[in-house]
Amino acid sequence: EAQVTQNPRYLITVTGKKLTVTCSQNMNHEYMSWYRQDPGLGLRQIYYSMNVEVTDKGDVPEGYKVSRKEKRNFPLILESPSPNQTSLYFCASRNYLGDTQYFGPGTRLTVL
Amino acid sequence: AQSVSQHNHHVILSEAASLELGCNYSYGGTVNLFWYVQYPGQHLQLLLKYFSGDPLVKGIKGFEAEFIKSKFSFNLRKPSVQWSDTAEYFCAVKSNQAGTALIFGKGTTLSVSS
Repeated sequence: EAQVTQNPRYLITVTGKKLTVTCSQNMNHEYMSWYRQDPGLGLRQIYYSMNVEVTDKGDVPEGYKVSRKEKRNFPLILESPSPNQTSLYFCASRNYLGDTQYFGPGTRLTVL
Repeated sequence: AQSVSQHNHHVILSEAASLELGCNYSYGGTVNLFWYVQYPGQHLQLLLKYFSGDPLVKGIKGFEAEFIKSKFSFNLRKPSVQWSDTAEYFCAVKSNQAGTALIFGKGTTLSVSS
């Protein structure tokens, strides 16, 4: 079954404690991205990757890092989380031509 | 830069009412257009998409959308909504060039009462 998986699904942490949210897809997609969803703001792209070792900033990259060492994985790293990063995060993937974007189930992060 | 505008933040309808959600985009080139739906507590799912051809696109669950190039619009419609259509709806746009970002509108929450 074609899917995008994220872990963890829920996370509560404290300010400054580094965390990683994993994302994996099994569709051999080149393009992967991370979004955050906040009420009234829709989905905003944090980072994206067009292929292995190729990443670039989206609209709201501050406070986040990503890596793309393998095609299937695209982890999101928060080196020093802050309360304004409390949000719902979605990973997504699609093929390079951009037919359809598939979304993961989301990770709800709370930073205290 | 591309942008997407969804005019309605929250729409409240009774079952069997007709639905139209507005979406306008700004971009000078050729675009691909999408509508996604997010049911409560779930991730986004594709409702329908337009790449080329017939500007009236039919999607899943009885939804359709019409691309009007002159108006830069891609409005979503459904003749008769059901309670199960309660969800958040997102319009999204990308350039038709490979590797470009998908830009989302801020979403419209649809509440359908039975």
